Amino acid sequence: DGGITQSPKYLFRKEGQNVTLSCEQNLNHDAMYWYRQDPGQGLRLIYYSQIVNDFQKGDIAEGYSVSREKKESFPLTVTSAQKNPTAFYLCASSTSTGQGWTEAFFGQGTRLTVV
Amino acid sequence: ILNVEQSPQSLHVQEGDSTNFTCSFPSSNFYALHWYRWETAKSPEALFVMTLNGDEKKKGRISATLNTKEGYSYLYIKGSQPEDSATYLCAFRYNNNDMRFGAGTRLTVKP
Repeated sequence: DGGITQSPKYLFRKEGQNVTLSCEQNLNHDAMYWYRQDPGQGLRLIYYSQIVNDFQKGDIAEGYSVSREKKESFPLTVTSAQKNPTAFYLCASSTSTGQGWTEAFFGQGTRLTVV
Repeated sequence: ILNVEQSPQSLHVQEGDSTNFTCSFPSSNFYALHWYRWETAKSPEALFVMTLNGDEKKKGRISATLNTKEGYSYLYIKGSQPEDSATYLCAFRYNNNDMRFGAGTRLTVKP
């Protein structure tokens, strides 16, 4: 089945440690996105990538890093510089047609807790 | 930071009621407006992608309209059912770039 897979579903991290969240898609989509959700708030854009080896910062990129070495994969690293990393993280992808970018397809999310 | 505003923040209705939500977005550099439904413990799923001023889309009991000149979109649900309970998100695309989401409207439909 085609889709987006995020792993792990739950992640616990000690303060001061970097951690990498995985996002893989087999939809052959060009664009991939990372969003963060905090309780009572909407989805905020961290990073996005529209082609391999290129990515752009979103509104809250500080303390995060990404790579896009393969079309299928867009891992997000939460670094120790991120002051408040406990949150729910969603990965999404979309593709471009002759009429523009399509709707986004989402993974199941990763809930990160700093302990 | 681009502001995408949704109202109301939450809504409680009785089964059979019709309801509507609003999404406001910057009227300049418009590329597309998306609506998503996000049920608890699931991933958000797309309802509509709207690109032209005056667009009206319909899927079953749910419909949406778009006004790009004044920067708003309405989502309507006719005859709400308990299974419509979810958070409804709108997302704004500008200049064919990234998607920016509103905070969502949480709908609860009581039997």
